[in-house]
Amino acid sequence: EAGVVQSPRYKIIEKKQPVAFWCNPISGHNTLYWYLQNLGQGPELLIRYENEEAVDDSQLPKDRFSAERLKGVDSTLKIQPAELGDSAVYLCASSSGTSPSTDTQYFGPGTRLTVL
Amino acid sequence: SQQGEEDPQALSIQEGENATMNCSYKTSINNLQWYRQNSGRGLVHLILIRSNEREKHSGRLRVTLDTSKKSSSLLITASRAADTASYFCASRVSGGYNKLIFGAGTRLAVHP
Repeated sequence: EAGVVQSPRYKIIEKKQPVAFWCNPISGHNTLYWYLQNLGQGPELLIRYENEEAVDDSQLPKDRFSAERLKGVDSTLKIQPAELGDSAVYLCASSSGTSPSTDTQYFGPGTRLTVL
Repeated sequence: SQQGEEDPQALSIQEGENATMNCSYKTSINNLQWYRQNSGRGLVHLILIRSNEREKHSGRLRVTLDTSKKSSSLLITASRAADTASYFCASRVSGGYNKLIFGAGTRLAVHP
């Protein structure tokens, strides 16, 4: 079974430029999560999707961040414009959604963003 | 920050020794989970303990949970060099959906 796929693995951009990250969850997983992980910290949830609906985006900085999950499968997270403080690892995870209280979240390898 | 705290932040041991990591959380939980993250990789789920459980075992892993103190510990017995990684606890808050609040992690180094 293929795991969660993310691309690119690394991205270096200059501040004020746009950037996008892509995630392909495990086949059949209805729930998709985007997390932000700063250096030396644990992941923090940015947004959660149930199928194509964003059901928790309370931690997403909506002035510059946007996300979409068309057709309830792949998802894209965008930052426009990027700021120096956005340098971090962006993790995507998915879970089956069949047992919300105990579902295991499966994480992708992440995209390491560096903003210069 | 919503994040819980983990202690110690870093741990260095020799192969064969046991490693103990502690985690504290802030809210009422449904369950608590432990994840491992190798350098440059995503997180891998290790074990889940429910709020009505006090101890759970999986192979060389032993997890305890004390809901009265809002704390948990992860014990890795007979450590191996391959156990070198960061370990995160994640508390699943009561009610609502499967939202996990992660701690800051413990970086474990196991030396051959």
